[in-house]
Amino acid sequence: LAKTTQPISMDSYEGQEVNITCSHNNIATNDYITWYQQFPSQGPRFIIQGYKTKVTNEVASLFIPADRKSSTLSLPRVSLSDTAVYYCLVGDMNSGGYQKVTFGIGTKLQVIP
Amino acid sequence: NAGVTQTPKFRVLKTGQSMTLLCAQDMNHEYMYWYRQDPGMGLRLIHYSVGEGTTAKGEVPDGYNVSRLKKQNFLLGLESAAPSQTSVYFCASSYSSHMYRGVDLNNEQFFGPGTRLTVL
Repeated sequence: LAKTTQPISMDSYEGQEVNITCSHNNIATNDYITWYQQFPSQGPRFIIQGYKTKVTNEVASLFIPADRKSSTLSLPRVSLSDTAVYYCLVGDMNSGGYQKVTFGIGTKLQVIP
Repeated sequence: NAGVTQTPKFRVLKTGQSMTLLCAQDMNHEYMYWYRQDPGMGLRLIHYSVGEGTTAKGEVPDGYNVSRLKKQNFLLGLESAAPSQTSVYFCASSYSSHMYRGVDLNNEQFFGPGTRLTVL
């Protein structure tokens, strides 16, 4: 299993761009990088997934350098409602589903007014 | 579509009692999972299923049993509840791979709302 390391917590003011970096030095060739968001008292929710370079959707961007040993989740202009825990997952979803992926404790993002 | 639903939402048990948590999904997903979440521990996989009639152990399977008699349902059983099983339980489902009927998915995992279980 690819081990991931991400900051335990981050604070940001409303309206700022937030970047959360995840390290995954032993990522395998077939591994994808996926980010989930979890609000209090709710199950995690998928945000974005990528394999290499940059991926963007209506919620966030995911930057993956060429060596794929790290990735950065970018949240543009955060609001108070973005306060949540963000999980970085690395694994081969193609052949094994999520049973080969661990969630870890994530990064707790606190958005400040 | 209801997505992933869990029953019940809350439950209080006494040590030694048994109970079953029900998870249902209406997305025709092959894979289903049961997690527990404890403060400071993230989500830990208890058991999972790769298809109807199949189950397998995850990271923390002891004290739990599961069954998947129908593709849409995944049951988690506690035969003799212990205080250490006090937790929030999440069920989830997903497709088995990125490709499904020729469509490249993100293969995201869909979670239920959770069941808060307290064992006294």
